[in-house]
Amino acid sequence: RKEVEQDPGPFNVPEGATVAFNCTYSNSASQSFFWYRQDCRKEPKLLMSVYSSGNEDGRFTAQLNRASQYISLLIRDSKLSDSATYLCVVGPYNQGGKLIFGQGTELSVKP
Amino acid sequence: SAVISQKPSRDICQRGTSLTIQCQVDSQVTMMFWYRQQPGQSLTLIATANQGSEATYESGFVIDKFPISRPNLTFSTLTVSNMSPEDSSIYLCSVERARSGTKNIQYFGAGTRLSVL
Repeated sequence: RKEVEQDPGPFNVPEGATVAFNCTYSNSASQSFFWYRQDCRKEPKLLMSVYSSGNEDGRFTAQLNRASQYISLLIRDSKLSDSATYLCVVGPYNQGGKLIFGQGTELSVKP
Repeated sequence: SAVISQKPSRDICQRGTSLTIQCQVDSQVTMMFWYRQQPGQSLTLIATANQGSEATYESGFVIDKFPISRPNLTFSTLTVSNMSPEDSSIYLCSVERARSGTKNIQYFGAGTRLSVL
């Protein structure tokens, strides 16, 4: 079993749609959770950290369920520019250290 | 954020040769990381490089194949030794920075796209 597993993609959605990505992780002791975005042929960039209470950044909402070892990302009112691969990332330590990446979910937003 | 300069950005190499990738950061950082991203795959951590000590390698990666240097707090190199076509990947360095009110964040260089013939 992979340490971090994500929905298989690709997700093809029209502009304005709401799309949700799911992710599960195997290490119950994990301490840090993130969503990164990777555009084609570019490096990953942090989209948002994920907190236990859930957090929102504009059109993006992230949720964490520690009991189920589950992380989600909701994108509302999708834009063409949201097309990218979204990486679920888990860190074993509270501060610092290695990150474990999911395989990514590709999102394609169409006009 | 962090400004990370990684070079070369791409290279095409012959099997059996070695390539050294450089990573320069705009300010001092304690931890630098080297990742590999194989075609169509996600990122896998190769090793963590701390200044003044030997790099810590993840399972499946060894120093003889991927020697790492960390001579100071702003610079690191990764060498891919005795290359084979299976080493064709994107290699990325990253650094960790503290952000106010949140967990430390890793920022990535633009990557080195390596093709081995």
